[in-house]
Amino acid sequence: GAVVSQHPSRVICKSGTSVKIECRSLDFQATTMFWYRQFPKKSLMLMATSNEGSKATYEQGVEKDKFLINHASLTLSTLTVTSAHPEDSSFYICSARDHGGRKDTQYFGPGTRLTVL
Amino acid sequence: QKEVEQDPGPLSVPEGAIVSLNCTYSNSAFQYFMWYRQYSRKGPELLMYTYSSGNKEDGRFTAQVDKSSKYISLFIRDSQPSDSATYLCAMSSGNTPLVFGKGTRLSVIA
Repeated sequence: GAVVSQHPSRVICKSGTSVKIECRSLDFQATTMFWYRQFPKKSLMLMATSNEGSKATYEQGVEKDKFLINHASLTLSTLTVTSAHPEDSSFYICSARDHGGRKDTQYFGPGTRLTVL
Repeated sequence: QKEVEQDPGPLSVPEGAIVSLNCTYSNSAFQYFMWYRQYSRKGPELLMYTYSSGNKEDGRFTAQVDKSSKYISLFIRDSQPSDSATYLCAMSSGNTPLVFGKGTRLSVIA
C-alpha cells in the first residue's frame, strides 16, 4: 500500500517552454501533497505544500507564478514549471500524506528529472 | 543551530557490519520520527516510523528515539551491499511538513 506515482519520470525541454509533472496517490486519498526539489548529492528542498481544493502554500524564495501547483482531487496534484530555464533543471519529487494512516507520514513518488536545454 | 543535524558521511562499511546512523534535533515539539532510504535518482522510501520515544525493530533495522537527548538512531544489522544508499532522518510535530536531515551516504562493501 501507500504507493505514489509521478509522471513523467524524465523530461527534456527547450528553454521557454512549460512542463507539467503529475503526482498521484494510487491506493489512498491524499488531502495534502508536497513538492520537493533536489540537486545532485543534496538534501530535499521543500517547495510547496498542496492541499486539495485550496491554494498551495509556497516556501520562502519559491516563485508561485513560476511553479504552478494544482491539487484538484484527493489523488492528484500537478506541478507546472512555466517558462522553464536551464537553472530549473533538477530532480522534482512529490510526496503525499496518508491521512488514514500513521500521522504525518509522507510517501514519496519516484521523482521526475527535468532537463532544460 | 539547524533544526535537524545529520552527518552527511560518506560512511563505508564491510558487508555484515552493524551500521549506526544518527540525527540530533533542537525542536522539543517533534513527536513523529521517520527514517527514509533513498537510492540514487529515486524517491525516498519510508523505512521506519516511530512515535515519541522508544525503540522499534523491523527485520534488520532498529530505530531508536531518545527525546530527552533529542537524538534518534537507525541501526542496520548484517549490512548488505543492497543497503548502499542515502539515509534521511525526518521528523515533525504534527500536521506539519516533515523536517529532514541532510542525509547520510552509506556504502556497504562486499
